[in-house]
Amino acid sequence: SQKIEQNSEALNIQEGKTATLTCNYTNYSPAYLQWYRQDPGRGPVFLLLIRENEKEKRKERLKVTFDTTLKQSLFHITASQPADSATYLCALILTGGGNKLTFGTGTQLKVEL
Amino acid sequence: NAGVMQNPRHLVRRRGQEARLRCSPMKGHSHVYWYRQLPEEGLKFMVYLQKENIIDESGMPKERFSAEFPKEGPSILRIQQVVRGDSAAYFCASSPPGSRSYGYTFGSGTRLTVV
Repeated sequence: SQKIEQNSEALNIQEGKTATLTCNYTNYSPAYLQWYRQDPGRGPVFLLLIRENEKEKRKERLKVTFDTTLKQSLFHITASQPADSATYLCALILTGGGNKLTFGTGTQLKVEL
Repeated sequence: NAGVMQNPRHLVRRRGQEARLRCSPMKGHSHVYWYRQLPEEGLKFMVYLQKENIIDESGMPKERFSAEFPKEGPSILRIQQVVRGDSAAYFCASSPPGSRSYGYTFGSGTRLTVV
């Protein structure tokens, strides 16, 4: 069956550390992989996109890696801050799947002082 | 640029009533997507529309649900004869043409409660 799995347990880290979130998928062929942030009661906010032929993408304190052999993406937040506390969602746009996003269930990140 | 506007933010309906959810995409965006988020679950794709056309409705329940995106005005997601299981947050996203390689902009959602 097709699945997109993210850490189901919340991730608690200390301020200033690097947070690493995982997105694993099975039986999908993504053309693009995207990461979104969602705060309680709000819609998702786009953070980064990485293409199937790219290994790594960076934006300020954010870094995404994409390994199509392992079928895995890692999302890193360096020098984390309490304001980074949110739920982070990975989403795939599939090859031949049109424009729709297929989302994972998300990982809740809490950055503590 | 006001972003994607959804209204109402909260909607309460009794079982059997109709719910109408509205979405105005960002200026210049001609593609609209509707997603549903059930409590403790991820976002599930429902339907993808362009102006006056339904492009992909593979995620729409077969009955009671319909969507439109007219030439003028917002996109509407309509749920007829609502049941308790329809209670969820409904999010709309928009994107410009040729947008597979760009992130999508989401609205703040409509929280539907069926009592």
